[in-house]
Amino acid sequence: NAGVTQTPKFQVLKTGQSMTLQCAQDMNHEYMSWYRQDPGMGLRLIHYSVGAGITDQGEVPNGYNVSRSTTEDFPLRLLSAAPSQTSVYFCASSYSLEGANNSPLHFGNGTRLTVT
Amino acid sequence: QKEVEQDPGPLSVPEGAIVSLNCTYSNSAFQYFMWYRQYSRKGPELLMYTYSSGNKEDGRFTAQVDKSSKYISLFIRDSQPSDSATYLCAMKAAGGTSYGKLTFGQGTILTVHP
Repeated sequence: NAGVTQTPKFQVLKTGQSMTLQCAQDMNHEYMSWYRQDPGMGLRLIHYSVGAGITDQGEVPNGYNVSRSTTEDFPLRLLSAAPSQTSVYFCASSYSLEGANNSPLHFGNGTRLTVT
Repeated sequence: QKEVEQDPGPLSVPEGAIVSLNCTYSNSAFQYFMWYRQYSRKGPELLMYTYSSGNKEDGRFTAQVDKSSKYISLFIRDSQPSDSATYLCAMKAAGGTSYGKLTFGQGTILTVHP
C-alpha cells in the first residue's frame, strides 16, 4: 500500500515558470489537501478538496490552482512561480473530514521547491 | 498574532529525560487537538489525538488539554534517540466551515542524545 505519493521530490524553477506538483493516494480517501511548510510558520493550508469535482481555498491560496477530477489525484499548479513560493509542499488525505483520531491525515513525503 | 503558538526550540535532552512540549492557542472554537511527529525529510504522522479537555496516555506519551487556559502539552517519558524529530501541534474546530482545516503550530525540533 503506497499511501500518499508526491512527485517530484525536488524541483528548481526560475521566476515566472509554471509547473504542477503531483499527488496521488490509493486509500480511496475523499478528503485531500495541500500544505506548505516554511521555517517558523508551521504547515499552512493552501487548497483542499472534499471529493472529486469539489475544491476550496485554504489559508494561503494565492498563486496556486487545484483540480480534482478523480478521487485518487489532486495536483497543485503554480501558474507563474515566485521566490516567495520557495517551500516544502505536502499533500495529505484522510478518510473523512475530521482529520482527527478516527480519520488521521496521511501525508506524503513532500516536494522541495526552490524558485530562483 | 498566530492562532496557535509553539516554541520552535530547538530542544536538546539526554536519553531517558522527560520531555515537555507545549502549545497555546487563541481560538476558543478548537475542539480537536493533535500532535504530529515529523522525521527529517518525511511527512508528519499522527502521534496523539485528544477531543476537548483532558488527558490521554499512549505508552511513553501523554497528551494534555486545558481548554480553560487554551494550553496543550505533550509529555514524553524515558525519551529515546528515536524520538528525535519535529513535533507539531494541530487543532481544529468542530464541523461547519472548519471541515478538514487543521491549524498547525510552528513545530518544536527535539534532539535526544544517547
